[in-house]
Amino acid sequence: GENVEQHPSTLSVQEGDSAVIKCTYSDSASNYFPWYKQELGKGPQLIIDIRSNVGEKKDQRIAVTLNKTAKHFSLHITETQPEDSAVYFCAAGDDMRFGAGTRLTVKP
Amino acid sequence: SQTIHQWPATLVQPVGSPLSLECTVEGTSNPNLYWYRQAAGRGLQLLFYSVGIGQISSEVPQNLSASRPQDRQFILSSKKLLLSDSGFYLCAWRLGGDTDTQYFGPGTRLTVL
Repeated sequence: GENVEQHPSTLSVQEGDSAVIKCTYSDSASNYFPWYKQELGKGPQLIIDIRSNVGEKKDQRIAVTLNKTAKHFSLHITETQPEDSAVYFCAAGDDMRFGAGTRLTVKP
Repeated sequence: SQTIHQWPATLVQPVGSPLSLECTVEGTSNPNLYWYRQAAGRGLQLLFYSVGIGQISSEVPQNLSASRPQDRQFILSSKKLLLSDSGFYLCAWRLGGDTDTQYFGPGTRLTVL
């Protein structure tokens, strides 16, 4: 099955700065790569996703880039705000394996 | 529109007691269904997934089992709970193919005492 690694495990940025979280995957057949945001006590919410026929996708302050050759994809958050503070997860594979998560803290 | 339900929302059970958590999806047909467990402050561990009625793939050897008696119903069970079964249990569904987006239910927080 798929193996997904996510870095960093924790990330602290100042409000207004950018944040980048990276994931690598092992199965070259994977073709769908979502990112989820999880707030305390709630289930993960999809924030953006990308499919293997696209290299980059953007939605306002959030973007995801995919490098299929290197088998990695990254989440980029620009102009971070305190409400962006949460745990972020990436996933890949037909059986939807998740990375270990990144706890993002945005300091006002 | 599609909706996913999980119940109960919270559950406190003694060690050795049985467990049954239910997940149902509305507004779609033949979804892929998933059970995940999340320990406090940790990532999501895939427990089971199902691509159709009666088809269950187990990812982790444990005292849990899953069943899919109907197309949009996924049940997580245990005959005897362990302390280590405590956690946040999440059900998710996905259509697959070009759609592929996976959606999560609200979760069940299980505490085994």
